[in-house]
Amino acid sequence: EAGVTQFPSHSVIEKGQTVTLRCDPISGHDNLYWYRRVMGKEIKFLLHFVKESKQDESGMPNNRFLAERTGGTYSTLKVQPAELEDSGVYFCASSQRAISEKLFFGSGTQLSVL
Amino acid sequence: LAKTTQPISMDSYEGQEVNITCSHNNIATNDYITWYQQFPSQGPRFIIQGYKTKVTNEVASLFIPADRKSSTLSLPRVSLSDTAVYYCLVGPWGAYNTDKLIFGTGTRLQVFP
Repeated sequence: EAGVTQFPSHSVIEKGQTVTLRCDPISGHDNLYWYRRVMGKEIKFLLHFVKESKQDESGMPNNRFLAERTGGTYSTLKVQPAELEDSGVYFCASSQRAISEKLFFGSGTQLSVL
Repeated sequence: LAKTTQPISMDSYEGQEVNITCSHNNIATNDYITWYQQFPSQGPRFIIQGYKTKVTNEVASLFIPADRKSSTLSLPRVSLSDTAVYYCLVGPWGAYNTDKLIFGTGTRLQVFP
């Protein structure tokens, strides 16, 4: 069974540019989550999809971040325009049921904004 | 919110048993305790989850006292490959209150040969 895959694994962009991160959850997992770790800080929740609907996006830092999950399959997280403080590792996770069920994480996307 | 407190770091040697304790004094009745392991350049990986008493799987054991205000992750006979950060999370079962799962700083376990 394939795990959660994220693309790209690394991205280096300049301030003001746009970057789109992609997450492919485990097939059949309705729940999809985005987290991120900013340098030296803890892993923070960003948002949660149930199928194609945003269940909770209270962790999204501002309106420069846009997450979508068309058709309830893969998800994208777009940062536009990127700022220096957006640098960090962005993790995607999926689960079959609710949040306290086992989460399966991807390896993350290391984003560097210069 | 059930905040957790763990030691920042721990050291051990190969073959020893490692016990990492997590404090969660304000755990709620419907909260479960979950532990994750994270290696460098990887996402967290589920280890074990429990509600009370003891849970054991092929990787670890989880001990939860009757008052549930703390829990202990036990790793038997650690090896070098167990060097990682271990996170204790407390959150409700079956709810979509995702912000109640807080990773915290975790415990950085270093295993020496």
